[in-house]
Amino acid sequence: GESVGLHLPTLSVQEGDNSIINCAYSNSASDYFIWYKQESGKGPQFIIDIRSNMDKRQGQRVTVLLNKTVKHLSLQIAATQPGDSAVYFCVSNFGNEKLTFGTGTRLTIIP
Amino acid sequence: NAGVMQNPRHLVRRRGQEARLRCSPMKGHSHVYWYRQLPEEGLKFMVYLQKENIIDESGMPKERFSAEFPKEGPSILRIQQVVRGDSAAYFCASSPMDPSSYGYTFGSGTRLTVV
Repeated sequence: GESVGLHLPTLSVQEGDNSIINCAYSNSASDYFIWYKQESGKGPQFIIDIRSNMDKRQGQRVTVLLNKTVKHLSLQIAATQPGDSAVYFCVSNFGNEKLTFGTGTRLTIIP
Repeated sequence: NAGVMQNPRHLVRRRGQEARLRCSPMKGHSHVYWYRQLPEEGLKFMVYLQKENIIDESGMPKERFSAEFPKEGPSILRIQQVVRGDSAAYFCASSPMDPSSYGYTFGSGTRLTVV
């Protein structure tokens, strides 16, 4: 079946360091990927997205890399801050309008 | 421009009661999606609606759950005869009319607790 999965359930990073969160997906039909951030007690918050015709996209302090050959994508957060502590979800639409969420990586920023 | 509005934020129901969750999409968005999240898990798709139409309900349990998005007013997710296993956070998302834009925006969710 269709799935997205994150490699690590938890990740701890020193404040100011860069963090990388990895994700693998199973379906080559995926044409759109989104990274969401979810803080405790809140809804998912859009961070950055990328379409399958791209292999890299940059935002403010965040970069998403897409490797379609190995069906892998990553989210890089530069100079992490305490406010980056949250659960991060790798999400795909698998070619249709409903989103499939992975299991999430809980990122903890160590002061 | 208000975001996706969900209410109530917290809802407590006794087993056997009905739960009604409301979602008002962002202004200009005509597509609504409902997701359920159990503790320590990702969100799971339930249903996708446009005004007065259910487009995809493949994630909805066959019994007790229903959803609507009337011509006027918010989208409603209704759970009849709730059981403890229905306890979860329910999130609504909306997107613009053009589905290719994929501009999904989520609300803050309704946390349902069944006692």
